[in-house]
Amino acid sequence: EAGVTQSPTHLIKTRGQQATLRCSPISGHTSVYWYQQALGLGLQFLLWYDEGEERNRGNFPPRFSGRQFPNYSSELNVNALELEDSALYLCASSLGQGVTDTQYFGPGTRLTVL
Amino acid sequence: GDSVTQMEGPVTLSEEAFLTINCTYTATGYPSLFWYVQYPGEGLQLLLKATKADDKGSNKGFEATYRKETTSFHLEKGSVQVSDSAVYFCARRSGNTPLVFGKGTRLSVIA
Repeated sequence: EAGVTQSPTHLIKTRGQQATLRCSPISGHTSVYWYQQALGLGLQFLLWYDEGEERNRGNFPPRFSGRQFPNYSSELNVNALELEDSALYLCASSLGQGVTDTQYFGPGTRLTVL
Repeated sequence: GDSVTQMEGPVTLSEEAFLTINCTYTATGYPSLFWYVQYPGEGLQLLLKATKADDKGSNKGFEATYRKETTSFHLEKGSVQVSDSAVYFCARRSGNTPLVFGKGTRLSVIA
């Protein structure tokens, strides 16, 4: 069974540009989560989508946005990039079954903002 | 709010040493508890989980017991190997919330 996949692996942008990151969940999973792992800041929750709807959002500015498509894949968009947006962005998926649900992570997209 | 506190790293051990990484969590709700591992240059992998008090999760020689009375979920392994060198994250989830992670503990095992 294929795991969570993310693309691209690496992304280099300059300040003010927009970045689009993509995630494909494990087959049968309806929930997709996005996390930011910046150096020294640990893992910060960004967004959670389930069945095409945004379920929860972390403490990030509105220039971080996303969506989930009918096939449950997801996109994370970051507008007006800032230097501090440089981080590893991790996507996870789950069956959407509540508190005992296990989230399975992809390998991440490393975003570098110059 | 919900939080997870892990012991500060880095932790350096010799091969075959005993490992303990402490983790405590806030007791709001009835959380499920998880340990994830991140090998260099990779994403997170689920190591083990426990969903209710007194449950013991185990995998690859690692284990952790959900202790409600001490709000702890300490990770242990009896004999570490060089290949266990990684960053370990404790996490909790309750209700309709996403995972809340600890800051991670870097483990280095030397031969």
